[in-house]
Amino acid sequence: QKEVEQNSGPLSVPEGAIASLNCTYSDRGSQSFFWYRQYSGKSPELIMSIYSNGDKEDGRFTAQLNKASQYVSLLIRDSQPSDSATYLCAGHSGGYQKVTFGIGTKLQVIP
Amino acid sequence: DADVTQTPRNRITKTGKRIMLECSQTKGHDRMYWYRQDPGLGLRLIYYSFDVKDINKGEISDGYSVSRQAQAKFSLSLESAIPNQTALYFCATQPPSTDTQYFGPGTRLTVL
Repeated sequence: QKEVEQNSGPLSVPEGAIASLNCTYSDRGSQSFFWYRQYSGKSPELIMSIYSNGDKEDGRFTAQLNKASQYVSLLIRDSQPSDSATYLCAGHSGGYQKVTFGIGTKLQVIP
Repeated sequence: DADVTQTPRNRITKTGKRIMLECSQTKGHDRMYWYRQDPGLGLRLIYYSFDVKDINKGEISDGYSVSRQAQAKFSLSLESAIPNQTALYFCATQPPSTDTQYFGPGTRLTVL
């Protein structure tokens, strides 16, 4: 069982809608969480990091963390076709622990 | 110039051949990682290194070896390639002060 779980999708949303991507984790020691975006055939790039319970907003992106429920989400407002990609959720327990990635959720934004 | 480079970008080889994938970085980060990515399995950690003298196995190290020649260089070797090692391989670096990883462009390896 992977320590970070994501639905592989695809998740299809119309252009302009809110896309909601979800992730759960099993390691209660995880302290920091990340969302990476990966276009097909390209390398992952960091779009959001979150360390505390609650919401963190950056432009059209909002990351949400609920440590009690061991749940992380990413909301993308006003979704654009250019947001179509695979979104990887990752968790880290700090110190010398490794980062653990989920399998990624494929998002398709339909024009 | 790219901060994390990988060579080669694409490689086709035959079963039993020895292959080396190279990673170089200009970011000055101590921590370096090798991952492979397969459809449906996501990114899986092969090896990681926190400095030149500290190398650790990841979750899928069997069939692979690594060398950290310098702070900036981390190479992955497949001693005797097999078809199920066909995958997209990524190198990543991480500064000591954050948990963020920076990925290279990837190497697509095909083992026939």
